[in-house]
Amino acid sequence: GAGVSQSPRYKVAKRGQDVALRCDPISGHVSLFWYQQALGQGPEFLTYFQNEAQLDKSGLPSDRFFAERPEGSVSTLKIQRTQQEDSAVYLCASSLAPGTGGNEQFFGPGTRLTVL
Amino acid sequence: RKEVEQDPGPFNVPEGATVAFNCTYSNSASQSFFWYRQDCRKEPKLLMSVYSSGNEDGRFTAQLNRASQYISLLIRDSKLSDSATYLCVVTFSGGYNKLIFGAGTRLAVHP
Repeated sequence: GAGVSQSPRYKVAKRGQDVALRCDPISGHVSLFWYQQALGQGPEFLTYFQNEAQLDKSGLPSDRFFAERPEGSVSTLKIQRTQQEDSAVYLCASSLAPGTGGNEQFFGPGTRLTVL
Repeated sequence: RKEVEQDPGPFNVPEGATVAFNCTYSNSASQSFFWYRQDCRKEPKLLMSVYSSGNEDGRFTAQLNRASQYISLLIRDSKLSDSATYLCVVTFSGGYNKLIFGAGTRLAVHP
């Protein structure tokens, strides 16, 4: 079956531009996570959705970052007024059941954002 | 101090070598432990979970020491295809299962 998909795969933005990154999780997966991976680092947690509810946004770096999942399936991560430090790979992951330890998260291929 | 720390690497080893990666975590409430593999410009993929009793999957052996807050991964008989970055990952109770990653250790296996 289809895995997690993300679009666009690559995005180049000018500093100050707004961007929107899309994630299509595996069908039926309740949990959805966004992570940010800077060059040479491991992914860092941004935010978590259980269905349409955003239960944890503690990892969002600033109020320029906003995420939504209005119908409990597709999610969008929006970054307003992009800065150079926002350049990173943004990874989306989904898992079947909410919050249980050991429940495997499946990652999408990521969106590589470059802010000039 | 980062929550999950790993050997910085890179590790350059010949085919057939045995290589060990170490990882320490700072949160004693950590609940689940994993090793993920990430190929260059690809997404992370689960390699194996790590249990206190230790577990083995073919050439890969993972160990967990909760008292020392230490996790290890041993790869025996390295193959060229093992070349990748290995990420040590933990979750903690009450954290909605969000993954806390180490920075990763890069492994390069050469002929």
